[in-house]
Amino acid sequence: RKEVEQDPGPFNVPEGATVAFNCTYSNSASQSFFWYRQDCRKEPKLLMSVYSSGNEDGRFTAQLNRASQYISLLIRDSKLSDSATYLCVVNGRSSNTGKLIFGQGTTLQVKP
Amino acid sequence: DGGITQSPKYLFRKEGQNVTLSCEQNLNHDAMYWYRQDPGQGLRLIYYSQIVNDFQKGDIAEGYSVSREKKESFPLTVTSAQKNPTAFYLCASSRDRGPAGANVLTFGAGSRLTVL
Repeated sequence: RKEVEQDPGPFNVPEGATVAFNCTYSNSASQSFFWYRQDCRKEPKLLMSVYSSGNEDGRFTAQLNRASQYISLLIRDSKLSDSATYLCVVNGRSSNTGKLIFGQGTTLQVKP
Repeated sequence: DGGITQSPKYLFRKEGQNVTLSCEQNLNHDAMYWYRQDPGQGLRLIYYSQIVNDFQKGDIAEGYSVSREKKESFPLTVTSAQKNPTAFYLCASSRDRGPAGANVLTFGAGSRLTVL
């Protein structure tokens, strides 16, 4: 089983739609969770950290479910510019290293 | 503006040649990292350094080498021992050297290496 798993998609949605991605992680001791966005052939950029209580940033909402070991990202009112690959990132087994584990990413295509 | 500069952006190499990818940051970050990205896969950690003159192997260090002589610089050498070097290489840095996983990564624009 992969340490961090995502459905690669692609998710094809119309503009204005609400779309949600899940990401499961295997290490129950993980403490830090992030969503990064990566545009085609570009570097990943931090979209948002995921806090235990859940957090929202404009149209984006991130949730953490420790019991089921998954995090989610909800995008409301999708824009064409939201088309990208969304990477789930979780800190790894050893808390004494700088090791973050990246999921393979979920690709979102927003259509007009 | 502060950031991470990777060079070259594109690099072609013949089999059997070593190549060095440059990574420079002016963010005053302590920790620096090298990742490799292959199509359809997540980023995989090659090496990381949490402080000058020290570095640690990541998950796929075989066939690679690094140095950290200056805080700003973390070059990666892809040696001829790396069996499948064609990939997108990403350098990153973070502000603190610990605790792990709490650090937000800032990435460079990447170097795309193709072995002919």
